Amino acid sequence: DTAVSQTPKYLVTQMGNDKSIKCEQNLGHDTMYWYKQDSKKFLKIMFSYNNKELIINETVPNRFSPKSPDKAHLNLHINSLELGDSAVYFCASSQLPTENYGYTFGSGTRLTVV
Amino acid sequence: GESVGLHLPTLSVQEGDNSIINCAYSNSASDYFIWYKQESGKGPQFIIDIRSNMDKRQGQRVTVLLNKTVKHLSLQIAATQPGDSAVYYCAEARSYNTDKLIFGTGTRLQVFP
Repeated sequence: DTAVSQTPKYLVTQMGNDKSIKCEQNLGHDTMYWYKQDSKKFLKIMFSYNNKELIINETVPNRFSPKSPDKAHLNLHINSLELGDSAVYFCASSQLPTENYGYTFGSGTRLTVV
Repeated sequence: GESVGLHLPTLSVQEGDNSIINCAYSNSASDYFIWYKQESGKGPQFIIDIRSNMDKRQGQRVTVLLNKTVKHLSLQIAATQPGDSAVYYCAEARSYNTDKLIFGTGTRLQVFP
């Protein structure tokens, strides 16, 4: 069983469209995250949620709206997609304290905006 | 082989050699550090972590060294294997009880026969 699963794995869409990426974890973790990895492989945190509550919002444009219906799910909705949104988006989860295992990441969603 | 993670993004080593991947972190308040391995097409995978009250921690074939004085972290991989080829990231946080992990820029490790 996949611990952190994201769908879709690939997403190609036109500028201006609205799209969603879904994430689910079956680890029973309380905290979930979205990270963005750009073309230079730089990983940057976007959001974190703890038990459905938004904890971190790292100055991400408000076109990005995370939603956590329950602590096992954290979805990312993006409005009015722009070329610069093209990246790989990773979902992750953790149970504090994270010592000895850190965060568990999904396999990523490659978003390409054309 | 040895790298300075932020300035030499690719490290090439021969199979069987030891690898040393370096990382300079930025926040002197960081108390907790993790090394991640990311293989092509996959998400980052936890390798080993260390708290700031330690200067060395060992795992299976890996050792992390922490020098808080110069804000430097290194990952040593013994007897490097082809399966070790990946991008390696150091990450820092204010504590092990953290909800915000900040990643470094990554170093690509290439292992050749």
